[in-house]
Parts: sequence; structure tokens; C-alpha cells
Amino acid sequence: ELKVEQNPLFLSMQEGKNYTIYCNYSTTSDRLYWYRQDPGKSLESLFVLLSNGAVKQEGRLMASLDTKARLSTLHITAAVHDLSATYFCAVDARNSGGGADGLTFGKGTHLIIQP
Amino acid sequence: DTEVTQTPKHLVMGMTNKKSLKCEQHMGHRAMYWYKQKAKKPPELMFVYSYEKLSINESVPSRFSPECPNSSLLNLHLHALQPEDSALYLCASSQVGREAYEQYFGPGTRLTVT
Repeated sequence: ELKVEQNPLFLSMQEGKNYTIYCNYSTTSDRLYWYRQDPGKSLESLFVLLSNGAVKQEGRLMASLDTKARLSTLHITAAVHDLSATYFCAVDARNSGGGADGLTFGKGTHLIIQP
Repeated sequence: DTEVTQTPKHLVMGMTNKKSLKCEQHMGHRAMYWYKQKAKKPPELMFVYSYEKLSINESVPSRFSPECPNSSLLNLHLHALQPEDSALYLCASSQVGREAYEQYFGPGTRLTVT
């Protein structure tokens, strides 16, 4: 059974600080996804990481993937209040590589950034 | 256009009712998905359609019946639901193939079963 573990599950931090969210998964996969969810809203795609060593950056967020360690990180630089949300990592459930696979999500990291 | 639309936005139904959720996309995606999300939990996969054929059913109770009439539409028919089925139902779509394609999510239907 595929397991996706995120930590921390809850994070309260001040504006201007840096922090990292970790995502470990139990299967061999080179495809890792990060999503953002605001309260009462749907999921917004942030990053798709396709291979070992992949690094992507968008604004104050940077995501990386280490397939050997089965670990992805989401790094927040100089946090601002607007980044407060729940962040999910997800892995292809079957990683069949040839068709449509559903995603298995981590439990999510509830991030609160205080002024 | 990267939009997935879902109707209705909210639905309240009794345990003896029959209702349907609708999802639509016009991005040319050939894979469509239903997820269920309970409050403060991650989304859980229910069904996957690939080229209009059901390819994954995650042991979902038969009171949930998916249907994919064409490549742009996905329905979820609901019958004799239980209060514990109250949740946010999310539809998503993506391309299909060996590449990793991100899934685009719709806004969801918030379902309450009374």
C-alpha cells in the first residue's frame, strides 16, 4: 500500500521567516505533485516534479525531489501572510507510467503565517 | 482554458433521494477523476476514467455510480447515501500518457446528507 507522509502537519510561523515542509513516500516513483488548498476551496496545482533532482521555484516557494530518498521538500522563503493555506503533496497511486493514475495525498500541512 | 467546472456547488439530500453531480472540462483531457474529501482530511481517490472507460474503482460502495458520457463530461450518480457520505466531492482531469501530467481540479460540490 502506498503511503505518503508529510510533516509537520501544522505549522505556525511569522512573516519573513523560512521553513521547509517534508514529504516522504513509500513507493518507487519519480512523479511528485504539490497542491495548495485554501479553506473551503478546491486544490490549486503548485508544482509537478518529474525526476530525481528536480527543483522548481515559483515566487517564495521552491520544491525539490530526491527519488532515491523518496523525499520531496517544499521550502518557503521569507513567508508572507498570503501563503497561509494547507499544502498537500501527492504521488501517483499506481505509477503505471502508461495511463491515468489517481493520486495518493499526504495528510496535508496546515500553514498559518502571522504578521 | 484550464477550467474544470462542477455543478451544483452545494447539495443537500435525504438518504432516500437520488441525485447526480456533474463535471465538465474542455481542455481535451482524456482522463477524469472523482475524489472525496472529508473536513480536515486529504482527498481520497474514488474513480478514474481513461478514454471514457472506467479504469480504477477504489472499492467505492455501489450507492455511488460514476458515468462518463463523453470525453468532456463526468457524472456521479448518488442513491441511498448515508450521513457519513457528507463531504466535498472533487472532480479532476488530466492528459493521459507516460509523462506526468498534473491534474486540474474543479471547485467541488459540497454534499450534505441528512
